[in-house]
Amino acid sequence: AQTVTQSQPEMSVQEAETVTLSCTYDTSESDYYLFWYKQPPSRQMILVIRQEAYKQQNATENRFSVNFQKAAKSFSLKISDSQLGDAAMYFCAYRAPNDKIIFGKGTRLHILP
Amino acid sequence: DGGITQSPKYLFRKEGQNVTLSCEQNLNHDAMYWYRQDPGQGLRLIYYSQIVNDFQKGDIAEGYSVSREKKESFPLTVTSAQKNPTAFYLCAAAGELRETQYFGPGTRLTVL
Repeated sequence: AQTVTQSQPEMSVQEAETVTLSCTYDTSESDYYLFWYKQPPSRQMILVIRQEAYKQQNATENRFSVNFQKAAKSFSLKISDSQLGDAAMYFCAYRAPNDKIIFGKGTRLHILP
Repeated sequence: DGGITQSPKYLFRKEGQNVTLSCEQNLNHDAMYWYRQDPGQGLRLIYYSQIVNDFQKGDIAEGYSVSREKKESFPLTVTSAQKNPTAFYLCAAAGELRETQYFGPGTRLTVL
């Protein structure tokens, strides 16, 4: 069965610094998608970044980038120049070939002013 | 203004009553999904629909029912059979390639 594990329930980072959130997953598939979603206090789930497994190049969206290690089944999110608005729950997610998405339990990120 | 709307934002019901949560989208997406989120947990899939008039059970479908009579709408009914219905409910939609799911703002259901 596919699983997604986020081993850091909470993290803190100083404003303007860089932080990395970890995610590992388990699958026997070779073609799939991985996502990072952000859930701010409003609780709306917002897509941060997406990675296609067949692409070797790591995805980047402005200050957000991923380190995708397919063989290790690792998918970490790096946030550069952290801002107060980045404070939120971050969920790592895996999209199975049957279109179902499996979510990790989340990492709560605090930004220290 | 495109997107996914869920109403109401907060909903209170007495124990034993059925309640229906609304989810509407104007993205013209074929697939729609319902998730439940409990404190300290990730999202768990309740039901999903790939096309109008068709839907499948997710991981925690017991005590819930859905319908998909229109492409734009995917209402979720929380029945009295659901043992612990108090939770945050999120609706999502995905386009033709199903690559990415986009979420509505959610409904917080509290059963008294």
